[in-house]
Amino acid sequence: QKEVEQDPGPLSVPEGAIVSLNCTYSNSAFQYFMWYRQYSRKGPELLMYTYSSGNKEDGRFTAQVDKSSKYISLFIRDSQPSDSATYLCAMSAVSQGAQKLVFGQGTRLTINP
Amino acid sequence: NAGVTQTPKFQVLKTGQSMTLQCAQDMNHEYMSWYRQDPGMGLRLIHYSVGAGITDQGEVPNGYNVSRSTTEDFPLRLLSAAPSQTSVYFCASFRAAYGYTFGSGTRLTVV
Repeated sequence: QKEVEQDPGPLSVPEGAIVSLNCTYSNSAFQYFMWYRQYSRKGPELLMYTYSSGNKEDGRFTAQVDKSSKYISLFIRDSQPSDSATYLCAMSAVSQGAQKLVFGQGTRLTINP
Repeated sequence: NAGVTQTPKFQVLKTGQSMTLQCAQDMNHEYMSWYRQDPGMGLRLIHYSVGAGITDQGEVPNGYNVSRSTTEDFPLRLLSAAPSQTSVYFCASFRAAYGYTFGSGTRLTVV
């Protein structure tokens, strides 16, 4: 069993929809949680970075962490065609340092105009 | 402000050949990593470095070597290429509170 599970999709939604992307994990020591966006043939870029539980909002993006359920989510409001990309969750334990990340396999998202 | 620069962008190797993937960053980050990305596998850590002169193995280190003589450069060497090393390779540097900055990747095919 992988430490981090992420549905690879693909996920296709109409423009303007609310998108929900999710990851589950098995290591209860994970405390750093990140979401990366990766456009085709590009390197991943950091979208959201949270520590421990709770919500974090940045513009149209909201990240949620539920440590009791070992479940994290990324919500995209008013989705745009430019949001079409692969979204990767990543996490690490304090003992490992925030830099030693374990990645999910990524969810491919398409926003249709 | 270039961030993380990887060269080459594409490479085809024959089985048994060796080569070095170059990585340079201009952000003065101490921590740097090499990841490989394969379909259905996500990003997997190959080697990492916490500063000049210090390197360590990640999840999938076999067949790869690294060195870190300066803060800026972190090359990845393939010792004897195998078809299983066909992948997209990403170099990244890390700073706390900012997460990783990734390069644009090297697409490697081993035939």
